[in-house]
Amino acid sequence: DSGVTQTPKHLITATGQRVTLRCSPRSGDLSVYWYQQSLDQGLQFLIQYYNGEERAKGNILERFSAQQFPDLHSELNLSSLELGDSALYFCASSVFPGTLTGSTEAFFGQGTRLTVV
Amino acid sequence: GNSVTQMEGPVTLSEEAFLTINCTYTATGYPSLFWYVQYPGEGLQLLLKATKADDKGSNKGFEATYRKETTSFHLEKGSVQVSDSAVYFCALLNDYKLSFGAGTTVTVRA
Repeated sequence: DSGVTQTPKHLITATGQRVTLRCSPRSGDLSVYWYQQSLDQGLQFLIQYYNGEERAKGNILERFSAQQFPDLHSELNLSSLELGDSALYFCASSVFPGTLTGSTEAFFGQGTRLTVV
Repeated sequence: GNSVTQMEGPVTLSEEAFLTINCTYTATGYPSLFWYVQYPGEGLQLLLKATKADDKGSNKGFEATYRKETTSFHLEKGSVQVSDSAVYFCALLNDYKLSFGAGTTVTVRA
């Protein structure tokens, strides 16, 4: 058990809908990363937050948004869903943001499997 | 920007065979390097890491050495087991971003 909790584990929804994925980081971790894993594109970095602030942005679509709350949990919002958004969405957390001075590993949750039908 | 290129799979081996998965990277500054493993139906788990040049990470019989001169971090294991069947990801942490390679699927047959 990595200590990172993601809910729900599975989600099936229709095209055009909006969903929210939730992530609770390990106790004490201030940094949260979101990734999308699909069969054809591998593991894609979406976005990173550190202590409530956005720190890095990857290949995140405009239809997607995220935030990190004062209690450090994070939510990833996916809207106007398309069939191609079906994927496994992972959250990871680490103590530091990933600067030159604090390069610690990230711990991953079990993921949320999103199926858009 | 940062990028990681790793050997494409799938790789199929017999038990006790030698495993090498190549990984090279592009980054500015001094990234940290990682190997993660993903077993079927699970999330990613850290396998080993190296934070500076010439560091060797090791765990569960796997090893990788951070080679700055060749910008590489190849994963090796001398004698694989069936339980090593998984997807292996090389990763780079730099400038707040944790970037992954495409992953290499390894299947070990008894």
